[in-house]
Amino acid sequence: DMKVTQMPRYLIKRMGENVLLECGQDMSHETMYWYRQDPGLGLQLIYISYDVDSNSEGDIPKGYRVSRKKREHFSLILDSAKTNQTSVYFCASSLLPGQGRGQFFGPGTRLTVL
Amino acid sequence: AQSVTQPDARVTVSEGASLQLRCKYSYSGTPYLFWYVQYPRQGLQLLLKYYSGDPVVQGVNGFEAEFSKSNSSFHLRKASVHWSDSAVYFCVLSASSNNRIFFGDGTQLVVKP
Repeated sequence: DMKVTQMPRYLIKRMGENVLLECGQDMSHETMYWYRQDPGLGLQLIYISYDVDSNSEGDIPKGYRVSRKKREHFSLILDSAKTNQTSVYFCASSLLPGQGRGQFFGPGTRLTVL
Repeated sequence: AQSVTQPDARVTVSEGASLQLRCKYSYSGTPYLFWYVQYPRQGLQLLLKYYSGDPVVQGVNGFEAEFSKSNSSFHLRKASVHWSDSAVYFCVLSASSNNRIFFGDGTQLVVKP
């Protein structure tokens, strides 16, 4: 159905708690991404995954880690969340970026860290 | 260095008027260029894309964009906007040489009734 899904859509956590954001895609895309979007800052790339267990840091990886054990799933983990990680997180998938096919985005997860 | 600049943070137009949203890119190689739209509380949706060939590309909902190599630009246009076009529009560059993707900061489009 050419879709990227994200769970949960909304999440409230306390500072210091662990956070798991899940992303799935049904297009067998090799490449998957995690971004965060903050007002006035556009989208910032956290991590990119080129396939299973092939992950690379993006522009702002500090405080985050990722896991990709199946091609269709890509998880973002915040160990001991901080208040400045309050944001909207988007997952995306694509064929290899160099093929210029564009990305498919999920609906986003709105995370609040109190 | 590779980058995308959208010089207008916010554009306001009246319904039925024509629209141009500006995008400038910096990249010495072959650019793949995209426009995405983001409606409130939603993810980004692809409007149109340019790889090569005809510099004017057509997208969904009557949008088109024109690539200019000499001006390093990829401006988005629409002949007659509708109130439902109100959203944030992102210009995106995909660099073929290093698999990096660069987002502009977005342009908030407000369509007045």
